[in-house]
Amino acid sequence: EPEVTQTPSHQVTQMGQEVILRCVPISNHLYFYWYRQILGQKVEFLVSFYNNEISEKSEIFDDQFSVERPDGSNFTLKIRSTKLEDSAMYFCASTLQGGNQPQHFGDGTRLSIL
Amino acid sequence: AQSVAQPEDQVNVAEGNPLTVKCTYSVSGNPYLFWYVQYPNRGLQFLLKYITGDNLVKGSYGFEAEFNKSQTSFHLKKPSALVSDSALYFCAVILTKAAGNKLTFGGGTRVLVKP
Repeated sequence: EPEVTQTPSHQVTQMGQEVILRCVPISNHLYFYWYRQILGQKVEFLVSFYNNEISEKSEIFDDQFSVERPDGSNFTLKIRSTKLEDSAMYFCASTLQGGNQPQHFGDGTRLSIL
Repeated sequence: AQSVAQPEDQVNVAEGNPLTVKCTYSVSGNPYLFWYVQYPNRGLQFLLKYITGDNLVKGSYGFEAEFNKSQTSFHLKKPSALVSDSALYFCAVILTKAAGNKLTFGGGTRVLVKP
């Protein structure tokens, strides 16, 4: 069964540095998402992306965050100047259609900010 | 604003016994409801969804869930739990007309099935 893949599995970065988290969604999917899960807390929506633009973003997704689909296969999340509170598990998801279709999640990237 | 509540942080059940994981939701419109399971160091795996129609929906691995509109609940059930069902379970909701199709998750319920 096709899977969403995320790299790296673990990223350690110094505070203030830029980080790029990478995702390869399922190949024929059209809708892409990023979520994050701070340790011990609930999974939180960050951003959704369709047709090469952001569909919706949460309050968490401030100017430090950006997303890009640089080619036909990758979907990236960039954090420009990382803060300690950005430490979390970041999940990418994709779906063929919006609405009632289940989102397929990758295994996540654990981001640790020192 | 939409929200999802999972009132139990942890549910313990003996293998072979029925398993129930509770979920209630609060939305202003008609919801799409989902259950996901998370095993250690893995992403969230889709179990089942309610969109419309029959209130009892069946999903993967023998799980089912009952949508109750009057109680705004969507409890997950399994008639006979297995040790391998031990995991973290998340209930989630999407508003039917949400532009971004964002999932709003509950806090999760850890299920421990003892042999």
